[in-house]
Amino acid sequence: EVHLLESGGGSVKPGGSLRLSCAASGFKFADAWMNWVRQAPGKGLEWIGRIKSNVDDGTTLYAAPVTGRFSISRDDSKNILYLEMNNLHIGDTGVYYCAAGVSTWPSWGQGTRVTVSS
Amino acid sequence: DIVMTQSPGSLAVSLGERATITCRSSQNILLTSKNKNFLSWYQQKPGQSPKLLIYWASIREVGVPDRFSGSGSGTDFTLTINSLQPEDVAVYYCQQYYDNPPTFGPGTKVDVK
Repeated sequence: EVHLLESGGGSVKPGGSLRLSCAASGFKFADAWMNWVRQAPGKGLEWIGRIKSNVDDGTTLYAAPVTGRFSISRDDSKNILYLEMNNLHIGDTGVYYCAAGVSTWPSWGQGTRVTVSS
Repeated sequence: DIVMTQSPGSLAVSLGERATITCRSSQNILLTSKNKNFLSWYQQKPGQSPKLLIYWASIREVGVPDRFSGSGSGTDFTLTINSLQPEDVAVYYCQQYYDNPPTFGPGTKVDVK
């Protein structure tokens, strides 16, 4: 059974940093394209970035609002996906989900909450 | 970016009745060479993470009840829930994956009348 478990969320001041993790199990993580999707309180879903499998060149792609501030990486030896978030804004507040898949995402974690507040 | 819109924003349907949600993309998301529409539908129940219901506009994900169906092509799509059940109360999102970045519609909240 596919299982994704995010961690690392918390409260941080504007301008601060956080690193989120997503531990994967139940599938061949190294072959998977992985995504981060967030949801602001009471709002809809927003894709923020993805990383291809290293077999498919391992490149990353980001949504415009986070480009230059967020960085996605992966450790295939540990089956962990990361999201490094720097220079956080109040608008980055929300629940952050990792999701597995190339174009459609059948597997999601339960999310980790990030609060950016002064 | 491709903008996705949904209507209505919310609807209330009696148990056993049909719920219909429409989704429109700001540009064509049909790849004619493959005859595939790059459109998914997700269900998000309160306090839960999203769940993939339908992909390629009309293909049900494994385990999704057959009362859920998707249709449409090009720029206009529909999610139909036949015979609404209490467990279908949720927000439903369409999402295009034709072009980067993948984008979601704003969501449609479905409640029981």
